[in-house]
Amino acid sequence: EAQVTQNPRYLITVTGKKLTVTCSQNMNHEYMSWYRQDPGLGLRQIYYSMNVEVTDKGDVPEGYKVSRKEKRNFPLILESPSPNQTSLYFCASRLAVGYEQYFGPGTRLTVT
Amino acid sequence: AQTVTQSQPEMSVQEAETVTLSCTYDTSESDYYLFWYKQPPSRQMILVIRQEAYKQQNATENRFSVNFQKAAKSFSLKISDSQLGDAAMYFCAYSPPGEKSSGDKLTFGTGTRLAVRP
Repeated sequence: EAQVTQNPRYLITVTGKKLTVTCSQNMNHEYMSWYRQDPGLGLRQIYYSMNVEVTDKGDVPEGYKVSRKEKRNFPLILESPSPNQTSLYFCASRLAVGYEQYFGPGTRLTVT
Repeated sequence: AQTVTQSQPEMSVQEAETVTLSCTYDTSESDYYLFWYKQPPSRQMILVIRQEAYKQQNATENRFSVNFQKAAKSFSLKISDSQLGDAAMYFCAYSPPGEKSSGDKLTFGTGTRLAVRP
């Protein structure tokens, strides 16, 4: 089954404790992205990647890191999480610009 | 930067009736892509419909259709014969054209929550 997987689905952590949210897709897509969803703000793009070892900032990259060492994986790293990073996070992939984005199930992150 | 505006935070429709969700966007590009995504309570993001700006014809998918007005930069979603399962948050999204000039940016609106009354 074609899908984007994310882990963990739920995470509660404390300020400053490094964490990684994994993302993997099995569709051989070139493009992958991370979004955060907050009430009243919709989805905002954090980072995107158009190929292995090629990443670029989206609209809200501060406080986040990403890497793309393999085509299928695109982890999101929070080196020192803060409470304002409490949000719902989505990983997504697509074949190319203009094509449908396939979204993962989301990761609910709470930083206390 | 591109902006996408959904001016209706909440809408309500009677089952079997028709409802239209509005979306406007700002861009200087002549070619681009527009999307409507549905997010039910499960939180899963589901593509409803996609429109290519260079195509004059409005996209349709079963009970879902769009009214794409390029000059007005408007992209509304019409849901016909509304069903209880249509209740969800709906997001409009804009994607610029070529990959080299604008990367893989996808800009979303703030969403419209649709309630369907039985």
